[in-house]
Amino acid sequence: DSGVTQTPKHLITATGQRVTLRCSPRSGDLSVYWYQQSLDQGLQFLIQYYNGEERAKGNILERFSAQQFPDLHSELNLSSLELGDSALYFCASSPRDTTNIQYFGAGTRLSVL
Amino acid sequence: GQNIDQPTEMTATEGAIVQINCTYQTSGFNGLFWYQQHAGEAPTFLSYNVLDGLEEKGRFSSFLSRSKGYSYLLLKELQMKDSASYLCAPLQNGYALNFGKGTSLLVTP
Repeated sequence: DSGVTQTPKHLITATGQRVTLRCSPRSGDLSVYWYQQSLDQGLQFLIQYYNGEERAKGNILERFSAQQFPDLHSELNLSSLELGDSALYFCASSPRDTTNIQYFGAGTRLSVL
Repeated sequence: GQNIDQPTEMTATEGAIVQINCTYQTSGFNGLFWYQQHAGEAPTFLSYNVLDGLEEKGRFSSFLSRSKGYSYLLLKELQMKDSASYLCAPLQNGYALNFGKGTSLLVTP
């Protein structure tokens, strides 16, 4: 158990809908990262938050957004969902903002039908 | 930008040694991580190299040559539970891990 908690574990929804994925980092970690993993792609970095502020942005679509709250948990919002958004979404956390080991949660499996 | 190259699949026998190579081109390079991922599970940290050379940790060792943009992960005394994907991940600008598609290792009896 990495100490990173993601909910829900599974999510099934329809095209055009909006969902929210939640992540609680390890105790004491200030950074949260979001990754997308689909079958034909590797793990793709989406976005990083550090102590409530956006720190780095990767291949995140405009339909996706994220935030980190004062208690350091983070949410990833996916809207106008398309079939191609079906993937495993992982959250990771680390103590600081740079050059840290990232510890991954178990992921949320999103199925868009 | 970044470009990561690893073999897609490898097969090895239980008890043997296997070396998984990774070449990369990453701007703002700050070190390289190796993660293990079993199917449908979270990646788990194996090693981190920031300086050139070999880092040994039990049955797993990782090597880095920054000038060549090259790393390898060495797994000794292979066990069946080592069947998994191994992800090479250069750290870019200190923040983002850029994962390759990984090498799927199958350990056979």
